[in-house]
Amino acid sequence: NAGVTQTPKFRVLKTGQSMTLLCAQDMNHEYMYWYRQDPGMGLRLIHYSVGEGTTAKGEVPDGYNVSRLKKQNFLLGLESAAPSQTSVYFCASSSLEGNIQYFGAGTRLSVL
Amino acid sequence: SQQGEEDPQALSIQEGENATMNCSYKTSINNLQWYRQNSGRGLVHLILIRSNEREKHSGRLRVTLDTSKKSSSLLITASRAADTASYFCATVRGDSSYKLIFGSGTRLLVRP
Repeated sequence: NAGVTQTPKFRVLKTGQSMTLLCAQDMNHEYMYWYRQDPGMGLRLIHYSVGEGTTAKGEVPDGYNVSRLKKQNFLLGLESAAPSQTSVYFCASSSLEGNIQYFGAGTRLSVL
Repeated sequence: SQQGEEDPQALSIQEGENATMNCSYKTSINNLQWYRQNSGRGLVHLILIRSNEREKHSGRLRVTLDTSKKSSSLLITASRAADTASYFCATVRGDSSYKLIFGSGTRLLVRP
């Protein structure tokens, strides 16, 4: 029972490079989310999706793009990475009812 | 901006003691949730309490909610070394049924 799977687990980028983080869930959840977590802080919502083909901005969307082409996958893209995007990124999903969120293990990203 | 603020930011107790963490929030809520995060891992849901509930139990966990004071507390009884983790409260606002707003967390250390 995989739940929410994030790839990759670690990545180091140079300023200006691009990359895509993949999130996959096998629970048939409608809602999916991307968060970032910085030292000593809680999670901040970057983008979210309320269903296949939909995306919306969260609290800190600048510098990121997302796509939800399939219900089970939610992609987070960085077009031109900046050192301020060094963080740990978490993906989560939830069903329509109850909105308890299930989290992946995280992606630790360093931008040099 | 973060909705919930936990207090204390850090807590160190002896195994067997009880641990109490508090959370305050700013706007009306639909429900409040508590999550645990072990070092280097994703968040794991612990308990959800709805706005019309005042107290909820789950194993060694007891959560209270006071909507008049906009505050909640999480009590872990008979703590164990394995309870060492960061604990986050997260609120679901009344006008948004699926987005969670996280606080900055309480780091709990349980000494053997």
